[in-house]
Amino acid sequence: GAGVSQSPRYKVAKRGQDVALRCDPISGHVSLFWYQQALGQGPEFLTYFQNEAQLDKSGLPSDRFFAERPEGSVSTLKIQRTQQEDSAVYLCASSFRDRGAGANVLTFGAGSRLTVL
Amino acid sequence: DAKTTQPPSMDCAEGRAANLPCNHSTISGNEYVYWYRQIHSQGPQYIIHGLKNNETNEMASLIITEDRKSSTLILPHATLRDTAVYYCITLSSASKIIFGSGTRLSIRP
Repeated sequence: GAGVSQSPRYKVAKRGQDVALRCDPISGHVSLFWYQQALGQGPEFLTYFQNEAQLDKSGLPSDRFFAERPEGSVSTLKIQRTQQEDSAVYLCASSFRDRGAGANVLTFGAGSRLTVL
Repeated sequence: DAKTTQPPSMDCAEGRAANLPCNHSTISGNEYVYWYRQIHSQGPQYIIHGLKNNETNEMASLIITEDRKSSTLILPHATLRDTAVYYCITLSSASKIIFGSGTRLSIRP
């Protein structure tokens, strides 16, 4: 497709459930990022992939959060034993380049809104 | 990466130029200035970036001062669709983008 696709767009989970959020980046994009955006706040960095390699996971808030990109294209963000504070919009972004100024020209998806009850 | 300072909110009349300021007094020589915006219920959208020369594209113009300590994003003819939060970010190539609080721009009809 022409843009970054995320699914599901909306997810309601009961506290303690596991959830998986999917990101389909633009075909051929090397870099992939996940961000978390709480209501009224700016997006916060979670993790970064260059192809299939997870090069930075410094923003993952706890070991309940896990991300993978096994074939260097589609990525999944998994949250285990969800808690109410995990409620947020999860944004995925991709970039064609992995170096140079163009590496920071990201295309974002519309996000997956997670509500934990 | 250098920290930026932006006003929390601004407004502009429709059809007029919107000038959004950003201070980045601690920017280092290899850091670019990037602007993104986020319209309600959408993901952030890239607008423009520059190093030291002024830049223009179909969306906006970016004016960077000679000392590079501040910049201004200019939307030449603001429309209601330009209502969004605008983020000014400075970083070196291939660093992760750290979003601040941005400027909430409201366009008055």
